[in-house]
Amino acid sequence: DAMVIQNPRYQVTQFGKPVTLSCSQTLNHNVMYWYQQKSSQAPKLLFHYYDKDFNNEADTPDNFQSRRPNTSFCFLDIRSPGLGDAAMYLCATYLWGADTQYFGPGTRLTVL
Amino acid sequence: GQQVMQIPQYQHVQEGEDFTTYCNSSTTLSNIQWYKQRPGGHPVFLIQLVKSGEVKKQKRLTFQFGEAKKNSSLHITATQTTDVGTYFCAGGWGNTGKLIFGQGTTLQVKP
Repeated sequence: DAMVIQNPRYQVTQFGKPVTLSCSQTLNHNVMYWYQQKSSQAPKLLFHYYDKDFNNEADTPDNFQSRRPNTSFCFLDIRSPGLGDAAMYLCATYLWGADTQYFGPGTRLTVL
Repeated sequence: GQQVMQIPQYQHVQEGEDFTTYCNSSTTLSNIQWYKQRPGGHPVFLIQLVKSGEVKKQKRLTFQFGEAKKNSSLHITATQTTDVGTYFCAGGWGNTGKLIFGQGTTLQVKP
């Protein structure tokens, strides 16, 4: 059974049109991350939640926002996608103190 | 700022040869994690190292964490074609779960 689910798997949007990506988990992990991964590059941490505490990376553009309404769900909002935002967006979860982290399958975002 | 450097970027080996990728952090880490990502896939967690000087093995894979907790390595003995992929290290700091990924090493194995 899938433990970290990302929807949709593929998202096409137009330049400047807001888009929301979702992540849900069945693991009850207290840490959730959003990463951006461009082709042949490492995942780049955008922000993470430790429980309800939101931690934004200093170089994450204001165009990217996140919400975590409860333990199971986390959303990534891109307010005005640009061509440079086309990438794979990965959600991951982690239970602090455990030794396993799980990534979702990712959402591939295309910006036209 | 916190940085994690990983080398080499690419490695081509003949099947049966060994492979090693190295990871270095600019600051002392709380832990280091290793992931494997197949082409078109997402990163899959391999292992976490927490203790200074720790060595862990998973079949043909050996993971080491340096004494100063600033460097780590992954060594694969007798590579197989199934080992193909990109191996990432990711450094963790403090107790927030934050991770910074290295650039990854892409392994190609010739049969």
